[in-house]
Amino acid sequence: ELKVEQNPLFLSMQEGKNYTIYCNYSTTSDRLYWYRQDPGKSLESLFVLLSNGAVKQEGRLMASLDTKARLSTLHITAAVHDLSATYFCAVDMGTDKLIFGTGTRLQVFP
Amino acid sequence: EPEVTQTPSHQVTQMGQEVILRCVPISNHLYFYWYRQILGQKVEFLVSFYNNEISEKSEIFDDQFSVERPDGSNFTLKIRSTKLEDSAMYFCASSVQGSGSTDTQYFGPGTRLTVL
Repeated sequence: ELKVEQNPLFLSMQEGKNYTIYCNYSTTSDRLYWYRQDPGKSLESLFVLLSNGAVKQEGRLMASLDTKARLSTLHITAAVHDLSATYFCAVDMGTDKLIFGTGTRLQVFP
Repeated sequence: EPEVTQTPSHQVTQMGQEVILRCVPISNHLYFYWYRQILGQKVEFLVSFYNNEISEKSEIFDDQFSVERPDGSNFTLKIRSTKLEDSAMYFCASSVQGSGSTDTQYFGPGTRLTVL
């Protein structure tokens, strides 16, 4: 069964710092999504990565996909408090379902 | 901007009762999904639905669960006899196309189901 693991599970970082969240998955897939979830809220789509080597950037967030390594990263540049949320990666199994990672809870403090 | 809507936002029920969770997907979307998230845990796939049939379902989606598109706009999830462990947030999602496309899945705000 596909496993999707994220690390770290919890990340507390200071404003202005950079950090990377990792998403590893255990089977072949060339489509991966990143979602953001605020406490008690729904999932907001951040990035859709559709091929090996794909890189997408939006503001202070940049996501990449290495399908050979079965690894996606979400890089945070110069973190601000508004980025505090839980971030999920999700692997597209090619069968109309997404398998979500364990989630990374990000807390940015002054 | 079009969005997925879900009702009710919170449903409290007694163990053994039937519940129906309702969703209105984005109007031009063709693929519909249900996921659930137990408090503090990851999001789990339940079922996908296209062209009036289930296209994929998970092990969680057993005989107690069913889905239906009763009209042109609603998409429902029924749990026939709720158990305590069914307590979770249930998210509906929709997409224009299914897997293998460039599309993403758009999620609704969720229904929090509490089984007592």
